[in-house]
Amino acid sequence: DAGVTQSPTHLIKTRGQQVTLRCSPKSGHDTVSWYQQALGQGPQFIFQYYEEEERQRGNFPDRFSGHQFPNYSSELNVNALLLGDSALYLCASSKGPNYGYTFGSGTRLTVV
Amino acid sequence: GQQVMQIPQYQHVQEGEDFTTYCNSSTTLSNIQWYKQRPGGHPVFLIQLVKSGEVKKQKRLTFQFGEAKKNSSLHITATQTTDVGTYFCAGQGSSNTGKLIFGQGTTLQVKP
Repeated sequence: DAGVTQSPTHLIKTRGQQVTLRCSPKSGHDTVSWYQQALGQGPQFIFQYYEEEERQRGNFPDRFSGHQFPNYSSELNVNALLLGDSALYLCASSKGPNYGYTFGSGTRLTVV
Repeated sequence: GQQVMQIPQYQHVQEGEDFTTYCNSSTTLSNIQWYKQRPGGHPVFLIQLVKSGEVKKQKRLTFQFGEAKKNSSLHITATQTTDVGTYFCAGQGSSNTGKLIFGQGTTLQVKP
């Protein structure tokens, strides 16, 4: 069963650079949420996409932006990377906003 | 904004002992979800509770949602080494917007 697929799995970027992370949701899921998880912390909500629109946003600066495509896949873009952006970025999909989430394995981003 | 807090942060138990983690929200929730994250892994959906006072069981796991829909608990009976991991509660606000806020998690260690 194809669950949530994220790419790349690991990434090293230099401070000030830009990065794009990709997510393919589980088959049958149309809602995609992005989370940032620092080591030893719970996932922090970045934003949620449904019907190609950003429906909800957490407390993240405008450097964090996203997109959802007609096939429900999604991208997370982060501009002007800071050292503090180093974290595990998780994509989660669901059948709708009020259902349980299926998480991908995440992208480990390291900013040096 | 909405906050979700979990206690304890860590719990070490002997195999066969019981384990409980508690979750409290600063606001009334429309539903609460529980996830398990194994070391080095990603969160895996366990269950969703929707109704006030709801109790659900999954084998040795018992989940409760408080009458005021602001707190929840997860109880594991007779822990096994396979129960090791971090357990997160995640709440959706009463506006039912789909924004899922995670607690900091409770990390369970089980000594064989």
